[in-house]
Amino acid sequence: GDSVTQMEGPVTLSEEAFLTINCTYTATGYPSLFWYVQYPGEGLQLLLKATKADDKGSNKGFEATYRKETTSFHLEKGSVQVSDSAVYFCALSFSGSARQLTFGSGTQLTVLP
Amino acid sequence: ETGVTQSPTHLIKTRGQQVTLRCSSQSGHNTVSWYQQALGQGPQFIFQYYREEENGRGNFPPRFSGLQFPNYSSELNVNALELDDSALYLCASSARLAGDYEQYFGPGTRLTVT
Repeated sequence: GDSVTQMEGPVTLSEEAFLTINCTYTATGYPSLFWYVQYPGEGLQLLLKATKADDKGSNKGFEATYRKETTSFHLEKGSVQVSDSAVYFCALSFSGSARQLTFGSGTQLTVLP
Repeated sequence: ETGVTQSPTHLIKTRGQQVTLRCSSQSGHNTVSWYQQALGQGPQFIFQYYREEENGRGNFPPRFSGLQFPNYSSELNVNALELDDSALYLCASSARLAGDYEQYFGPGTRLTVT
């Protein structure tokens, strides 16, 4: 079945450091890809998405590029802030009736001042 | 515009009991999906409701059931609770229009089964 694999956490960085969180997927076909963020005590918020190969999603300084050849969608940010501390989830879905999301296990990011 | 709301926020139940969780979808949204998020894991799709009918189901047993009402709000019912049902239950609504199916998540209900 479809699955998403994320780099294991937790990840701890100093403020202004460069962030990469790796995400690869296994799927038959070409899904849409997403990054969601979950702040403590809150639900999931969509951070960015890409719907086809070579698309780049971006939001709030975060970027991810849909790489079909490597089945990857790695999340990057050039300079993290303390406020970026959260759990980040990579996810996929297919067009069709339910379009349910299949999530990775999440990566906890802590940014220290 | 009101976002997705869920109630209650927290709930403690005993093994074998039944529980009902509630979700109010975002204004203008006609589709509700439910997810289970165990501690330290990503959310797992339980099922989706569209126009009051189940429209897709994940790998969950029949004791997980749901309803959607004419105002598009939804309930998740779990019978015969087991310890492994302890999790954060997330509701997400979407507009199911041509093109963008973005799902908007509520804050979740934390269920503890003892």
